Amino acid sequence: KQEVTQIPAALSVPEGENLVLNCSFTDSAIYNLQWFRQDPGKGLTSLLLIQSSQREQTSGRLNASLDKSSGRSTLYIAASQPGDSATYLCAVSNDYKLSFGAGTTVTVRA
Amino acid sequence: NAGVTQTPKFQVLKTGQSMTLQCAQDMNHEYMSWYRQDPGMGLRLIHYSVGAGITDQGEVPNGYNVSRSTTEDFPLRLLSAAPSQTSVYFCASSPLSSNEQFFGPGTRLTVL
Repeated sequence: KQEVTQIPAALSVPEGENLVLNCSFTDSAIYNLQWFRQDPGKGLTSLLLIQSSQREQTSGRLNASLDKSSGRSTLYIAASQPGDSATYLCAVSNDYKLSFGAGTTVTVRA
Repeated sequence: NAGVTQTPKFQVLKTGQSMTLQCAQDMNHEYMSWYRQDPGMGLRLIHYSVGAGITDQGEVPNGYNVSRSTTEDFPLRLLSAAPSQTSVYFCASSPLSSNEQFFGPGTRLTVL
């Protein structure tokens, strides 16, 4: 059974600081890995999708890396802004079934 | 494109009542799934479907039924609601080619 862990559970940083969010998984036979953002009381918004054959994906200030052999992914958010405050979820796909981490709640202080 | 839509947004049930949560997508995605989100437990897969007429169980299927008669719709039925089914329910869809998941806005269900 795939287990996904996200550390830390919560993070508070001043505006402008770079964010580093970690995700680890136990079964390296994944199809892909997806990072989501969730605002309080809202649904999930897809941020980045990394296929198993890829090492990283970038979108604007966001960069995500994937190391299947060690079972790790890292989401980097450059020059954080108060609007980046949200919960970030990592999900890995095995046979089209997603396994989620519990998330990292980020607060960016103005 | 409306994407993935879910109805209702909120629902309160009494123990033992049944109801159907609706999910629809207009992106012609083959894959659809249902998750529940509970505090401190993350999202857990209830049921999923890889195409019309095909469904399978996820991690927490007990107390729920699904069917997939069309590509667009994937309703989730609660047979006899229990307080343990109080949760936020999310529907998702994806194309089989990339498996990039798109989520609906969720249904917040309370069972008294």
